[in-house]
Amino acid sequence: KQEVTQIPAALSVPEGENLVLNCSFTDSAIYNLQWFRQDPGKGLTSLLLIQSSQREQTSGRLNASLDKSSGRSTLYIAASQPGDSATYLCAGQNAGGTSYGKLTFGQGTILTVHP
Amino acid sequence: EAQVTQNPRYLITVTGKKLTVTCSQNMNHEYMSWYRQDPGLGLRQIYYSMNVEVTDKGDVPEGYKVSRKEKRNFPLILESPSPNQTSLYFCASSLSVPGGTYEQYFGPGTRLTVT
Repeated sequence: KQEVTQIPAALSVPEGENLVLNCSFTDSAIYNLQWFRQDPGKGLTSLLLIQSSQREQTSGRLNASLDKSSGRSTLYIAASQPGDSATYLCAGQNAGGTSYGKLTFGQGTILTVHP
Repeated sequence: EAQVTQNPRYLITVTGKKLTVTCSQNMNHEYMSWYRQDPGLGLRQIYYSMNVEVTDKGDVPEGYKVSRKEKRNFPLILESPSPNQTSLYFCASSLSVPGGTYEQYFGPGTRLTVT
């Protein structure tokens, strides 16, 4: 059974700092890995999706990487801003078999960027 | 506007009173899924559907039912709600291809309280 772990659970940084959020998964047979942002009391917003055949994806100040062999993904946020404060979640989707619609989430990293 | 809608957004009910939470998407997505989010447990998948009339269990299906009679709708049914089903529920949808899906779009959430 896939398990997804995110470290750290919480992170507080000053504005302007570059930071890395970590996500690890136990089963390397994933179809894709997706990073989400969740603001308090809100739904999830997709940030980046990395297919299993890809190594990284970039969108603006965000860069996500995927290393299936080590079971790790990282989300890099450059030049952080107070508006980046939110909970960041990663989720891995099963590959193949009869359960390829299953998605497993990590517990999330609560990010606070202070001015 | 492309979106996933859920109704109701907030619901307080009593133990044993059947209820349905509706989910609808206007993006012609094949894949739809239900999740619940609980403090300390994160997001867990309840059921998912790869297409019309095709549904499968996620990690926590007990006490829930789903149906997929139309592509755009995926209602979540609680036949006899219990207090341990008090939670924040999310519906999501995405395009799918053989073997997997793409970026998942989430609804705004339904906060359910069962007394």
